[in-house]
Amino acid sequence: DSGVTQTPKHLITATGQRVTLRCSPRSGDLSVYWYQQSLDQGLQFLIQYYNGEERAKGNILERFSAQQFPDLHSELNLSSLELGDSALYFCASSEQGTPGSPLHFGNGTRLTVT
Amino acid sequence: AQSVTQLDSQVPVFEEAPVELRCNYSSSVSVYLFWYVQYPNQGLQLLLKYLSGSTLVKGINGFEAEFNKSQTSFHLRKPSVHISDTAEYFCAVRGGNTPLVFGKGTRLSVIA
Repeated sequence: DSGVTQTPKHLITATGQRVTLRCSPRSGDLSVYWYQQSLDQGLQFLIQYYNGEERAKGNILERFSAQQFPDLHSELNLSSLELGDSALYFCASSEQGTPGSPLHFGNGTRLTVT
Repeated sequence: AQSVTQLDSQVPVFEEAPVELRCNYSSSVSVYLFWYVQYPNQGLQLLLKYLSGSTLVKGINGFEAEFNKSQTSFHLRKPSVHISDTAEYFCAVRGGNTPLVFGKGTRLSVIA
């Protein structure tokens, strides 16, 4: 058990809808990362937060947004969903946001858009 | 920017045989290197990391990896695999202020 909790585990929704994925980091970790895993693209970095502030942005679509709250949990919002958004979304956390701090991953949320 | 190439998408190996999963990286700055393992329907678990110092790094479950700066490689090895090692293995690199970049993964299948 990594200590990172993601909810829900599975999500099935229709195109055009909006969903929210939730992540609670390991106790004491200040940095949260979101990754998307799909068969064709592999693991793609979406966004990083550190202590409530956005730290780095990757290949995140404009339809997607995220935030980290004062209690350090994070939410990833996906809107105007398309079939191609179907993927496994991982949250990870690290103690610091520094490059040498290993990331600890949750078990992911599997999103299916129909 | 950093990039990672995992040279084999699938590696079948018999139980108790040795295995090497290959990883090459590209970076213009000093890097930190990681190997993660993903079991079915689970998240990624850290196997080992190279930050600095000794180029031979030992991780969990009997795995080890060797950092080779001149060849820009970080190959993962295990002298004797078990059925339970069947999983997807990801090499990852991070340097400067860039995020952790993953390779496409290598599926290790251990055959009884």
